[in-house]
Amino acid sequence: EIVMTQSPATLSVSPGERATLSCRASQSVSSNLAWYQQKPGQAPRLLIYGASTRATGIPARFSGSGSGTEFTLTISSLQSEDFAVFYCQQYHNWPPTWTFGQGTKVEIK
Amino acid sequence: EVQLVQSGAEVKKPGESLRISCKASGYSFTNYWISWVRQMPGEGLEWMGRINPSDSYTNYSPSFEGHVTISADKSTSTAYLQWSSLRASDTAMYYCASNLGGEYYFDYWGQGTLVTVSS
Repeated sequence: EIVMTQSPATLSVSPGERATLSCRASQSVSSNLAWYQQKPGQAPRLLIYGASTRATGIPARFSGSGSGTEFTLTISSLQSEDFAVFYCQQYHNWPPTWTFGQGTKVEIK
Repeated sequence: EVQLVQSGAEVKKPGESLRISCKASGYSFTNYWISWVRQMPGEGLEWMGRINPSDSYTNYSPSFEGHVTISADKSTSTAYLQWSSLRASDTAMYYCASNLGGEYYFDYWGQGTLVTVSS
């Protein structure tokens, strides 16, 4: 199983500041990585796929980078609606045993 | 509009059986896999398995294989997740999700079904 490790567990950021979230894979997943945002009481929402492609309707302040085992999600200027938990997910291995990271909570500082 | 609409919350006792559903609309149901994802209280997301609705071929995570069954009904565009014998540890929110984007990330999600197993 590919283990996905996210850091930090919690990130305290002031509105308008930049947030940088990390995701590390235990083995290479190429660019087969997605990021999701989940707000309390809601289903996850796809933000990024292919490590760096924004999903439909996702604001440009969200960006993804990386390949292989190291990935980053950057929120350039946090808005009030961005505070949530963020998960990375690899969809590389076959047969599929896709795995998520444990999540990073972005909270208001 | 693409929608995945899940069945309502369930409260069951250990040992009971259960089937929850996910009804798809707004796209061709048989063209895209549907997955199920578990989220235990206060915890992260776990991929459980998926089904190809066109032929009912399934893949399961080793963590869930043998304990749950995923099925689909093409005639009603509905996917199912079922247990024959629930455990207290099955208490969780369960989401169905689909990957209409053509790869294996999840671009559409159901609203979730809360399953509570308690004696």
